[in-house]
Amino acid sequence: GAVVSQHPSWVICKSGTSVKIECRSLDFQATTMFWYRQFPKQSLMLMATSNEGSKATYEQGVEKDKFLINHASLTLSTLTVTSAHPEDSSFYICSARGGARGTDTQYFGPGTRLTVL
Amino acid sequence: AQSVSQHNHHVILSEAASLELGCNYSYGGTVNLFWYVQYPGQHLQLLLKYFSGDPLVKGIKGFEAEFIKSKFSFNLRKPSVQWSDTAEYFCAVNAGGGGNKLTFGTGTQLKVEL
Repeated sequence: GAVVSQHPSWVICKSGTSVKIECRSLDFQATTMFWYRQFPKQSLMLMATSNEGSKATYEQGVEKDKFLINHASLTLSTLTVTSAHPEDSSFYICSARGGARGTDTQYFGPGTRLTVL
Repeated sequence: AQSVSQHNHHVILSEAASLELGCNYSYGGTVNLFWYVQYPGQHLQLLLKYFSGDPLVKGIKGFEAEFIKSKFSFNLRKPSVQWSDTAEYFCAVNAGGGGNKLTFGTGTQLKVEL
């Protein structure tokens, strides 16, 4: 149980284009999903918290107009990198919060490797 | 703001050696504590977690961790490592109860040699 998928697993795009990444909780409902960015040989940096049916909460320094998050259902959140530039190249990971209240845990997706040319 | 420190960035062990990875956090209130593992080319997987109760937590694959509140620590241990334990290990803290965001440590790269 507690499986989270991401699509696509990798994407290469031209500078200036937009890229959408999907995060799905496959066998549980997730009212909250999280988006992280991981640089090579570094830890995960939280970008934003996505709540179903409401606006995402962004961490300090993350441009909300550049990284659009939509959490339209209890099993799907999307991250759209708008007008991507080479510095946006990174590994983007989502997680979904699941489990009984009080012991809920984040379960992570496999990540999406974004390369902007 | 809460922070998490993992002092060992790279650890190299021989098979059957014992493992202890340090994790310290800075937050004075109630915390939930996690260890995640990332095997090469794979996604983060939960090893174990602590919410309350017995401070010695057993996880998967023979791992355990001990929460020592007075030391703000949650060190990960395994009595005898295997080559397949080669991975990156992340300690994470969720302050203020469940559902809040996780703060991750910088990770420890463990290499187990045959």
